[in-house]
Amino acid sequence: QSVLTQPPSVSAAPGQKVTISCSGSSSNIGNNYVSWYQQLPGTAPKLLLYENNKRPSGIPDRFSGSKSGTSATLGITGLQTGDEADYYCGTWDDSLSAGVFGGGTKLTVL
Amino acid sequence: EVQLVESGGGLVQPGGSLRLSCGASGFTFSNYWMVWVRQAPGKGLVWISRLKGDGSIAHYADSVKGRFTISRDNAKNTLYLQMNSLRAEDTAVYYCGREQWGLPSYWGQGTLVTVSS
Repeated sequence: QSVLTQPPSVSAAPGQKVTISCSGSSSNIGNNYVSWYQQLPGTAPKLLLYENNKRPSGIPDRFSGSKSGTSATLGITGLQTGDEADYYCGTWDDSLSAGVFGGGTKLTVL
Repeated sequence: EVQLVESGGGLVQPGGSLRLSCGASGFTFSNYWMVWVRQAPGKGLVWISRLKGDGSIAHYADSVKGRFTISRDNAKNTLYLQMNSLRAEDTAVYYCGREQWGLPSYWGQGTLVTVSS
């Protein structure tokens, strides 16, 4: 049981938009920055967004993030087959004094 | 370019020990907190531990507290994870990362630890 809650799966057609939610509490998302990670099949995770909505160099602006209260959202526009991956949200939890992740969301581009 | 390379994984019996290493390059290692994250086969990411740049402060997940110890050698640009009293549920790919806000911003390729008799 993950501390952060994500939908197990989402799907959309190529070119469409999809959002992935991440729900937490006041001790984690509510009081800390959220990061998002993309994990392509068989590879290590890669940082997609940090500090809620900032993109590292090389990440296209098709990927966006937002945070409101104790929830965060990852948005992906102009879906491509290469976006098929597992996506994870993560943040620091002040009560646990530990990092926490969501359970991951598998994106299928139909 | 930031590079992180884990090593030391392998097959170990329940109750055994293993030490993982993570070699870092491309940045001033001692200036950064470092973190370990693991992923059991077919499962999600689980945060394990983090260590301040000077080695003075460490945090652990409850699941490994008292069994795992994180450490570093800044002269060798290397992060370690000493794992004792290993259990079957510790079987996972272990990733090291350069930390930002408690989580990895850069990741290594991972090393597989299998705990089985």
